[in-house]
Amino acid sequence: EAGVTQFPSHSVIEKGQTVTLRCDPISGHDNLYWYRRVMGKEIKFLLHFVKESKQDESGMPNNRFLAERTGGTYSTLKVQPAELEDSGVYFCASSQPLYRTRGNTIYFGEGSWLTVV
Amino acid sequence: AQKVTQAQTEISVVEKEDVTLDCVYETRDTTYYLFWYKQPPSGELVFLIRRNSFDEQNEISGRYSWNFQKSTSSFNFTITASQVVDSAVYFCALRWGGATNKLIFGTGTLLAVQP
Repeated sequence: EAGVTQFPSHSVIEKGQTVTLRCDPISGHDNLYWYRRVMGKEIKFLLHFVKESKQDESGMPNNRFLAERTGGTYSTLKVQPAELEDSGVYFCASSQPLYRTRGNTIYFGEGSWLTVV
Repeated sequence: AQKVTQAQTEISVVEKEDVTLDCVYETRDTTYYLFWYKQPPSGELVFLIRRNSFDEQNEISGRYSWNFQKSTSSFNFTITASQVVDSAVYFCALRWGGATNKLIFGTGTLLAVQP
């Protein structure tokens, strides 16, 4: 079974440009999450999708960040325009429905490393 | 408020030594879940264990063991006979009960196992 996959693995962009990160969750996982780790700090929650709906987007830092999950499959996270402080690792994760026994286990991808210069 | 504290920023040990990574959590919820994840140099976050608040049994998996103590709000992780491949950043995380599946992470502990 394939794990959570993310693309691109690394991205270097200039301040003011746009970057779009993609995440493919584990097949059958309704829940999809975005997290990020900035400057060696703790990993912080950004948002949570249940299928195509945003369940919780309380962690989104500002309106330069836009997450979508059309069709309830893969998700994209767009940063526009990117700022220097957006540099970090963006993790995508997925889990089964919460009513299932293993729904509480969240599986993470390898992360997309973003550098804004 | 929910919080996870990993006071050890970096730990360096020599191969075959035992090492314990500390994790202290704060939550007002009676139902919650604790996790440990490993982040090797390749970057992915690898799930190691999930423990719910109603299960205080300690768990052992090979060289890994976890000590969950609600009385001290701790969920410590011990690696026995450490190996170089154990070198990684280890994160402790907390998820409280409810519809949200949001994890609160600690700042991570960098473990370096020297040959």
